[in-house]
Amino acid sequence: EVHLLESGGGLVPPGGSLRLSCTGAGFSFSNYAMVWVRRAPGKGLECVSLITGGGRRIDYADSVKGRFTISRDNSKNTVYMQMSSLRAEDTGIYYCAKRGTTYKSDGGPNYFYFDLWGQGTLVTVSS
Amino acid sequence: DIQMTQSPSTLSASVGDRVTITCRASQSISSWLAWYQQKPGKAPKLLIYEASSLESGVPSRFSGSGSGTEFTLTISSLQPDDFATYYCQQYNSRETFGQGTKVEIK
Repeated sequence: EVHLLESGGGLVPPGGSLRLSCTGAGFSFSNYAMVWVRRAPGKGLECVSLITGGGRRIDYADSVKGRFTISRDNSKNTVYMQMSSLRAEDTGIYYCAKRGTTYKSDGGPNYFYFDLWGQGTLVTVSS
Repeated sequence: DIQMTQSPSTLSASVGDRVTITCRASQSISSWLAWYQQKPGKAPKLLIYEASSLESGVPSRFSGSGSGTEFTLTISSLQPDDFATYYCQQYNSRETFGQGTKVEIK
């Protein structure tokens, strides 16, 4: 069965750190870009960070640049997000997702939509 | 980053209604647009990609159209299972979402 499973969320004080993990199954993990998307309370979806299959493209939202680091271990079918210097506004549900079967490719960086999502993991930043 | 603006923010409708949600991009994105449905406590679900391609398994009452800067998601006959929040997402450049449109029961 094709699925994604996130873990690592929890309650952390402001300034603290957390590492999220997302493990995929049922597809060729190394061939797919993976993204972390969050939904803050009362807000919409935000792409937080993305990494392509081979790691050639790594992107971050401006709101997390310099604080979050995305990485992947294709031998473990897992993508990680190390979150540091956490702020109250980082609170939310964090989803991982895999890119869809097609994507924009015109010689520059590739860009993606996302066809498989995990169930999400809750991150709460509070004292 | 490209800004995506959805309208309306909230839509009240009845079962059987035809529903249209609009998504506008701050610059042309060709047809690089996807639509998602999200229900409370659930992950987003892909409905449409490349502006008008229906994802496998998605009911045919959902359709997408548009190109350039203006796009629409249409539900031809709203069903009880369709009350949810809908998001557009561009992938012409660094991926960004619209702010969402909540479809609620009238």
